[in-house]
Amino acid sequence: AAGVIQSPRHLIKEKRETATLKCYPIPRHDTVYWYQQGPGQDPQFLISFYEKMQSDKGSIPDRFSAQQFSDYHSELNMSSLELGDSALYFCASSLTDLNTEAFFGQGTRLTVV
Amino acid sequence: EDKVVQSPLSLVVHEGDTVTLNCSYEVTNFRSLLWYKQEKKAPTFLFMLTSSGIEKKSGRLSSILDKKELFSILNITATQTGDSAVYLCAVEAGGNEKLTFGTGTRLTIIP
Repeated sequence: AAGVIQSPRHLIKEKRETATLKCYPIPRHDTVYWYQQGPGQDPQFLISFYEKMQSDKGSIPDRFSAQQFSDYHSELNMSSLELGDSALYFCASSLTDLNTEAFFGQGTRLTVV
Repeated sequence: EDKVVQSPLSLVVHEGDTVTLNCSYEVTNFRSLLWYKQEKKAPTFLFMLTSSGIEKKSGRLSSILDKKELFSILNITATQTGDSAVYLCAVEAGGNEKLTFGTGTRLTIIP
């Protein structure tokens, strides 16, 4: 069965650069969530989208923005990268109307040097 | 602010032992509690609990929710080395669908 696809899997950027992470949800899933997981920490919720509209916002820095497109894929844009942004970024998707559980992608490991 | 607390933070047992992992929560407008297993990759879904007192079971794993006392337990019987992982508890609450995670329990099974 198709799962949540994230790209790239690994990304190395320098400080002050910009990065774009992509998430392709499970087909027919209408909700996408973004999480940031630092080393040895639990995932922290960043932002979510339902039917292409932002549905909730967590601890997402102002330097980050995200959107969900008409095909339901989502992109997390990160600007002015800092060393502390180095983390694993997970995307999850669910079918909200049926209250299904969230399925996670494999994550994008971002390293800022 | 929604809060999810897991205990213990770390647990080391011998293969074959039974373990119980705990998750307590304080959230507004609880909807569901989810358990995930995380190895060196993305969290994989284990259980979703929405009703009190109904045990969910999958092989050697089982879980139950107590909405009155605001906690859930995850039991693993006859543990195997492949059960070694971080087990995350997450709660879905409020009018939206975001998940609030606990810090996880790191389970290590010694052969």
